[in-house]
Amino acid sequence: DTEVTQTPKHLVMGMTNKKSLKCEQHMGHRAMYWYKQKAKKPPELMFVYSYEKLSINESVPSRFSPECPNSSLLNLHLHALQPEDSALYLCASSRTQGIGYGYTFGSGTRLTVV
Amino acid sequence: DAKTTQPNSMESNEEEPVHLPCNHSTISGTDYIHWYRQLPSQGPEYVIHGLTSNVNNRMASLAIAEDRKSSTLILHRATLRDAAVYYCILRDRQGAQKLVFGQGTRLTINP
Repeated sequence: DTEVTQTPKHLVMGMTNKKSLKCEQHMGHRAMYWYKQKAKKPPELMFVYSYEKLSINESVPSRFSPECPNSSLLNLHLHALQPEDSALYLCASSRTQGIGYGYTFGSGTRLTVV
Repeated sequence: DAKTTQPNSMESNEEEPVHLPCNHSTISGTDYIHWYRQLPSQGPEYVIHGLTSNVNNRMASLAIAEDRKSSTLILHRATLRDAAVYYCILRDRQGAQKLVFGQGTRLTINP
């Protein structure tokens, strides 16, 4: 298995809703990442997990809450989002956080906040 | 983090070689040069990386200038499937080692 699987592929949520994005990999990778990508812009790093511990938080608002329950799974919990949070949310993994390893990205969850 | 400069867009023809340039004049001795690409409606895809020597893999070749202030990603025989945004990224082997994307080059392949 050489894939990162993200679910759901599309999500529409209201500003008062609570929802979660899920990311799964079975490559034995110990680093996992969340990125946010707005239309026609490059991906922006949000969070880095290394060995199931939060390693980097790029000053992301608290309405985004990451969770890494085990080495294969990464969640992003969403609460009280704003319309400007509408974007493609990408998950990635790598063998470790070190620069010798390439990242494997999922196809993303396209989120629309109404 | 050291910055990279890439052309906003490039165009090439199918079955011809493509040379994608990247300038990184402020590169430090501990920076590795990474390339990723993003096909339409997909997540980014790792292409290749290197430090000082030229590198080859099944997808592409990476040519690094002797002073390391620039590099070129070479697609030897472009196909329509190579149409994508190509990102040249410097990653420092010290510190947080983050993968931070710049604006990239949008490559169009003409049939």
